[in-house]
Amino acid sequence: DGGITQSPKYLFRKEGQNVTLSCEQNLNHDAMYWYRQDPGQGLRLIYYSQIVNDFQKGDIAEGYSVSREKKESFPLTVTSAQKNPTAFYLCASSIIENEKLFFGSGTQLSVL
Amino acid sequence: GEDVEQSLFLSVREGDSSVINCTYTDSSSTYLYWYKQEPGAGLQLLTYIFSNMDMKQDQRLTVLLNKKDKHLSLRIADTQTGDSAIYFCAAGGKFYFGSGTKLNVKP
Repeated sequence: DGGITQSPKYLFRKEGQNVTLSCEQNLNHDAMYWYRQDPGQGLRLIYYSQIVNDFQKGDIAEGYSVSREKKESFPLTVTSAQKNPTAFYLCASSIIENEKLFFGSGTQLSVL
Repeated sequence: GEDVEQSLFLSVREGDSSVINCTYTDSSSTYLYWYKQEPGAGLQLLTYIFSNMDMKQDQRLTVLLNKKDKHLSLRIADTQTGDSAIYFCAAGGKFYFGSGTKLNVKP
Protein backbone atom coordinates (compact mmCIF):
# COMPACT_ATOMS: atom_id res chain seq x y z
CA ASP A 1 0.00 0.00 0.00
CA GLY A 2 1.30 3.44 -0.90
CA GLY A 3 1.15 6.16 1.67
CA ILE A 4 2.82 8.43 4.16
CA THR A 5 3.97 7.06 7.49
CA GLN A 6 4.63 9.28 10.48
CA SER A 7 6.21 8.02 13.67
CA PRO A 8 5.87 7.99 16.55
CA LYS A 9 2.17 8.74 17.04
CA TYR A 10 2.87 10.29 20.45
CA LEU A 11 6.12 11.91 21.59
CA PHE A 12 7.17 13.58 24.80
CA ARG A 13 9.95 16.13 25.09
CA LYS A 14 11.85 17.18 28.16
CA GLU A 15 13.01 20.76 28.65
CA GLY A 16 16.14 21.51 26.62
CA GLN A 17 15.86 18.37 24.54
CA ASN A 18 15.81 18.03 20.75
CA VAL A 19 13.37 15.50 19.32
CA THR A 20 12.99 14.18 15.78
CA LEU A 21 9.73 13.29 14.08
CA SER A 22 9.89 10.79 11.26
CA CYS A 23 8.06 11.05 7.94
CA GLU A 24 8.43 8.44 5.18
CA GLN A 25 6.51 8.19 1.90
CA ASN A 26 6.46 5.50 -0.79
CA LEU A 27 4.35 7.47 -3.26
CA ASN A 28 7.38 8.59 -5.28
CA HIS A 29 6.40 12.20 -4.59
CA ASP A 30 8.95 14.95 -5.13
CA ALA A 31 7.53 17.50 -2.69
CA MET A 32 7.17 17.05 1.06
CA TYR A 33 5.85 19.38 3.77
CA TRP A 34 5.63 19.77 7.53
CA TYR A 35 2.68 21.52 9.17
CA ARG A 36 1.91 22.35 12.76
CA GLN A 37 -1.68 22.25 14.05
CA ASP A 38 -2.71 23.84 17.34
CA PRO A 39 -6.13 23.11 18.90
CA GLY A 40 -8.92 24.95 17.13
CA GLN A 41 -6.55 26.37 14.56
CA GLY A 42 -5.66 25.68 11.00
CA LEU A 43 -2.40 24.27 9.71
CA ARG A 44 0.71 26.41 9.59
CA LEU A 45 3.58 25.55 7.28
CA ILE A 46 6.93 24.90 9.00
CA TYR A 47 9.20 23.70 6.17
CA TYR A 48 8.81 22.26 2.71
CA SER A 49 11.03 20.52 0.21
CA GLN A 50 10.54 20.35 -3.55
CA ILE A 51 13.46 18.05 -4.27
CA VAL A 52 16.14 16.00 -2.55
CA ASN A 53 18.84 18.03 -0.77
CA ASP A 54 16.78 21.21 -0.95
CA PHE A 55 14.23 22.73 1.44
CA GLN A 56 12.70 26.11 2.23
CA LYS A 57 11.35 27.75 5.37
CA GLY A 58 7.64 28.11 5.78
CA ASP A 59 5.82 30.63 7.95
CA ILE A 60 6.95 29.31 11.35
CA ALA A 61 10.39 27.73 10.82
CA GLU A 62 12.07 29.18 13.91
CA GLY A 63 13.04 26.45 16.38
CA TYR A 64 12.73 23.67 13.80
CA SER A 65 15.14 22.00 11.37
CA VAL A 66 14.74 19.48 8.56
CA SER A 67 16.79 17.40 6.16
CA ARG A 68 15.98 15.80 2.82
CA GLU A 69 18.75 13.32 2.07
CA LYS A 70 16.42 10.82 0.41
CA LYS A 71 13.31 11.32 -1.71
CA GLU A 72 11.29 9.10 0.63
CA SER A 73 12.22 10.75 3.92
CA PHE A 74 11.74 14.22 5.41
CA PRO A 75 12.44 14.18 9.17
CA LEU A 76 11.63 17.20 11.35
CA THR A 77 13.71 18.09 14.41
CA VAL A 78 12.07 20.19 17.09
CA THR A 79 14.98 21.92 18.82
CA SER A 80 15.25 23.28 22.34
CA ALA A 81 14.92 26.75 20.79
CA GLN A 82 11.23 26.04 20.11
CA LYS A 83 9.71 27.27 23.38
CA ASN A 84 6.16 26.15 22.73
CA PRO A 85 6.45 22.82 20.92
CA THR A 86 3.23 21.16 22.13
CA ALA A 87 1.13 20.62 18.99
CA PHE A 88 -0.03 18.09 16.44
CA TYR A 89 2.50 17.76 13.62
CA LEU A 90 1.43 16.70 10.16
CA CYS A 91 3.63 15.61 7.28
CA ALA A 92 2.35 15.75 3.71
CA SER A 93 3.60 15.07 0.22
CA SER A 94 2.59 15.92 -3.32
CA ILE A 95 3.71 14.64 -6.67
CA ILE A 96 5.14 18.06 -7.44
CA GLU A 97 4.78 21.42 -5.75
CA ASN A 98 1.28 22.94 -5.91
CA GLU A 99 -0.40 19.62 -6.59
CA LYS A 100 -2.84 18.07 -4.14
CA LEU A 101 -1.41 17.10 -0.77
CA PHE A 102 -1.59 13.68 0.85
CA PHE A 103 -1.18 13.58 4.61
CA GLY A 104 0.25 11.23 7.18
CA SER A 105 -1.66 10.39 10.36
CA GLY A 106 0.23 12.90 12.49
CA THR A 107 2.43 13.00 15.61
CA GLN A 108 1.23 14.55 18.85
CA LEU A 109 4.17 16.19 20.63
CA SER A 110 3.87 17.15 24.28
CA VAL A 111 6.29 18.69 26.77
CA LEU A 112 6.98 16.90 30.07
CA GLY B 1 0.58 35.59 2.48
CA GLU B 2 -2.73 33.95 1.74
CA ASP B 3 -5.66 34.47 4.07
CA VAL B 4 -8.29 31.73 4.19
CA GLU B 5 -11.31 32.10 6.46
CA GLN B 6 -14.01 29.70 7.55
CA SER B 7 -16.73 29.71 10.17
CA LEU B 8 -15.78 27.56 13.15
CA PHE B 9 -18.88 25.45 13.78
CA LEU B 10 -21.86 23.99 11.95
CA SER B 11 -24.54 21.77 13.44
CA VAL B 12 -27.09 19.88 11.32
CA ARG B 13 -29.53 17.00 11.73
CA GLU B 14 -28.88 13.66 10.08
CA GLY B 15 -30.38 13.60 6.59
CA ASP B 16 -30.19 17.38 6.11
CA SER B 17 -27.76 19.12 3.76
CA SER B 18 -24.68 20.82 5.17
CA VAL B 19 -23.04 23.84 3.59
CA ILE B 20 -19.55 24.84 4.68
CA ASN B 21 -18.21 28.17 3.45
CA CYS B 22 -14.74 29.53 2.86
CA THR B 23 -13.30 32.83 1.63
CA TYR B 24 -9.77 33.32 0.36
CA THR B 25 -7.59 36.17 -0.81
CA ASP B 26 -5.10 34.72 -3.30
CA SER B 27 -6.72 34.63 -6.73
CA SER B 28 -3.71 32.89 -8.30
CA SER B 29 -4.65 29.47 -6.90
CA THR B 30 -4.91 26.91 -9.69
CA TYR B 31 -6.89 24.51 -7.54
CA LEU B 32 -8.90 24.88 -4.35
CA TYR B 33 -9.31 21.96 -2.02
CA TRP B 34 -11.53 20.54 0.68
CA TYR B 35 -10.04 18.25 3.31
CA LYS B 36 -11.68 16.28 6.12
CA GLN B 37 -10.02 15.60 9.50
CA GLU B 38 -11.34 13.13 12.06
CA PRO B 39 -10.13 13.34 15.69
CA GLY B 40 -6.44 12.55 16.13
CA ALA B 41 -5.94 11.82 12.44
CA GLY B 42 -4.36 13.39 9.42
CA LEU B 43 -6.23 15.26 6.70
CA GLN B 44 -8.05 13.34 4.01
CA LEU B 45 -8.54 14.94 0.60
CA LEU B 46 -12.27 15.07 -0.07
CA THR B 47 -12.49 16.91 -3.34
CA TYR B 48 -10.99 19.80 -5.26
CA ILE B 49 -12.01 22.21 -7.97
CA PHE B 50 -10.02 23.73 -10.78
CA SER B 51 -10.05 27.52 -10.56
CA ASN B 52 -11.74 27.99 -13.95
CA MET B 53 -14.73 25.88 -12.92
CA ASP B 54 -17.87 27.11 -11.15
CA MET B 55 -19.12 23.83 -9.82
CA LYS B 56 -18.02 20.26 -9.29
CA GLN B 57 -20.22 17.39 -8.12
CA ASP B 58 -18.85 14.18 -6.66
CA GLN B 59 -21.53 11.84 -5.28
CA ARG B 60 -22.91 13.57 -2.14
CA LEU B 61 -20.43 16.43 -2.40
CA THR B 62 -20.94 19.62 -4.41
CA VAL B 63 -18.28 22.32 -4.58
CA LEU B 64 -19.24 25.82 -5.70
CA LEU B 65 -16.66 28.43 -6.60
CA ASN B 66 -17.40 32.14 -6.98
CA LYS B 67 -14.13 33.59 -8.26
CA LYS B 68 -15.39 37.16 -8.29
CA ASP B 69 -16.17 37.05 -4.57
CA LYS B 70 -13.33 34.58 -3.80
CA HIS B 71 -15.85 32.31 -2.11
CA LEU B 72 -15.76 28.54 -2.00
CA SER B 73 -18.42 26.27 -0.54
CA LEU B 74 -18.85 22.57 0.12
CA ARG B 75 -22.33 21.09 0.21
CA ILE B 76 -22.82 17.63 1.69
CA ALA B 77 -26.16 16.11 0.75
CA ASP B 78 -27.96 13.68 3.09
CA THR B 79 -25.47 14.33 5.90
CA GLN B 80 -24.69 11.28 8.04
CA THR B 81 -23.27 10.98 11.56
CA GLY B 82 -20.08 9.65 9.97
CA ASP B 83 -19.63 13.05 8.32
CA SER B 84 -18.97 14.61 11.73
CA ALA B 85 -15.42 15.96 11.48
CA ILE B 86 -13.46 19.15 10.87
CA TYR B 87 -13.46 20.39 7.28
CA PHE B 88 -10.65 22.54 5.91
CA CYS B 89 -10.49 24.51 2.72
CA ALA B 90 -7.07 25.15 1.23
CA ALA B 91 -5.87 27.56 -1.41
CA GLY B 92 -2.70 29.04 -2.74
CA GLY B 93 0.52 27.61 -4.01
CA LYS B 94 1.85 26.74 -0.56
CA PHE B 95 -1.50 25.39 0.62
CA TYR B 96 -2.74 27.95 3.06
CA PHE B 97 -5.45 26.36 5.19
CA GLY B 98 -8.45 27.89 6.90
CA SER B 99 -8.97 27.28 10.61
CA GLY B 100 -11.44 24.50 9.87
CA THR B 101 -15.18 24.13 10.34
CA LYS B 102 -16.30 21.59 12.91
CA LEU B 103 -19.37 19.80 11.58
CA ASN B 104 -21.60 18.19 14.20
CA VAL B 105 -24.31 15.88 12.87
CA LYS B 106 -27.13 15.15 15.31
CA PRO B 107 -29.05 11.89 14.98
